[in-house]
Amino acid sequence: EIVLTQSPATLSLSPGERATLSCRASQSVSSYLAWYQQKPGQAPRLLIYDASNRATGIPARFSGSGSGTDFTLTISSLEPEDFAVYYCQQRSNWPPTFGPGTKVDIK
Amino acid sequence: QVQLVESGGGVVQPGGSLRLSCAASGFTFSSYGMHWVRQAPGKGLEWVAFIRYDGSNKYYADSVKGRFTISRDNSKNTLYLQMNSLRAEDTAVYYCAKDLPNCTGGVCYSFDYWGQGTLVTVSS
Repeated sequence: EIVLTQSPATLSLSPGERATLSCRASQSVSSYLAWYQQKPGQAPRLLIYDASNRATGIPARFSGSGSGTDFTLTISSLEPEDFAVYYCQQRSNWPPTFGPGTKVDIK
Repeated sequence: QVQLVESGGGVVQPGGSLRLSCAASGFTFSSYGMHWVRQAPGKGLEWVAFIRYDGSNKYYADSVKGRFTISRDNSKNTLYLQMNSLRAEDTAVYYCAKDLPNCTGGVCYSFDYWGQGTLVTVSS
């Protein structure tokens, strides 16, 4: 099973700042990595699939990059609604697995 | 718009059974694979099971294999999860999720739409 590690565990930033979240895989997942956003009491929402493709309706301030074992989710300028937990997920190898999450909170 | 609405959660004793349902609308349900994903209280996400668009193939996480059964009724646009021999560690919010489309082999194992979830609590 592929293990995903996310860093940092918590990111404290102010609105308008740039957020950079990292996801590292225990072995190569090629480009088969997705990012999800989850707010308290809500279901996860797909942001990015296959490393760099924005899902339907996702604002352009969200971007994904990387391949192999190292991936990054960047939020170019944080909006108040972006403070949430972000999970990465790989679909390269069965079973699909998720990272433990990065919480982006207000500084 | 795509809507997924889960139901059937509740409190059940260890060793008991529960059946979850997920009513789908806003897309051609019979054309897409579907998943169940769960989240224990305060914890991360865990994939549970997948069923192909026509029900021909089903896959399970090792943690639930032999105890849970995923099924679907395309005439009713509904996904199910039959959960037997429940354990305390099965306590979680269970989400149904639609498979991302257009992947090789007909299954993507990424999730583009999610329901709001239903809470299952296994406790005596």
